[in-house]
Amino acid sequence: EVQLVASGGGLVKPGGSLRLSCAASGFTFSTYSMTWVRQAPGKGLEWVSSISPTGTYMYYADSVKGRFTISRDNAKNSLYLQMNSLRAEDTAVYYCARDAVEGGWSYYFDYWGQGTLVTVSS
Amino acid sequence: EIVLTQSPGTLSLSPGERATLSCRASQSVSSSYLAWYQQKPGQSPRLLIYGASSRATGIPDRFSGSGSGTDFTLTISRLEPEDFAVYYCQQYGSSPEITFGQGTRLEIK
Repeated sequence: EVQLVASGGGLVKPGGSLRLSCAASGFTFSTYSMTWVRQAPGKGLEWVSSISPTGTYMYYADSVKGRFTISRDNAKNSLYLQMNSLRAEDTAVYYCARDAVEGGWSYYFDYWGQGTLVTVSS
Repeated sequence: EIVLTQSPGTLSLSPGERATLSCRASQSVSSSYLAWYQQKPGQSPRLLIYGASSRATGIPDRFSGSGSGTDFTLTISRLEPEDFAVYYCQQYGSSPEITFGQGTRLEIK
């Protein structure tokens, strides 16, 4: 069974940093592109960042470019999101999601983690 | 950036009725890269439709997608109680750039 378990959220002050993790199981993690999507409280979905299966290619939304870094450790079946210079508008539930096509990019997501809440507030 | 506008914002219908949800793009979208998701309160999104019209694994055939260019539609032929949720369309463009619509809330009338 495919499972994605996100963790690492919490309360952080503006300007602070946080590192999110997503533990994957039930599939060959190293052959799938992975993505972070966030959802502010009561709002819609917003794509944050994606990474290719080997970590060679990384893409970011303009809203987080230069502040967030996506990475992965295929030996540990884990996806990460390092978030720096956090702002109040980064407050959201952060979901990790698997690309639906093995070995490539479909840009739609067939499995999602349960999400981890990040709150940026003083 | 391609903006996706979903309508209506809220749709009130009864079980057994037909639901038609619209997603309009500000520029032409490749049908291959248009997807629909369902999200229930407190849950993660669930992939329903990809490639504008292909049902994801395990999705009942009462869900169907159609459209091309800038206009896409998600249709639920006969609403079941478990279908009341928020629905999002999503597209992929160049760059890459992934955007979601603002969502349509389907509520019980």
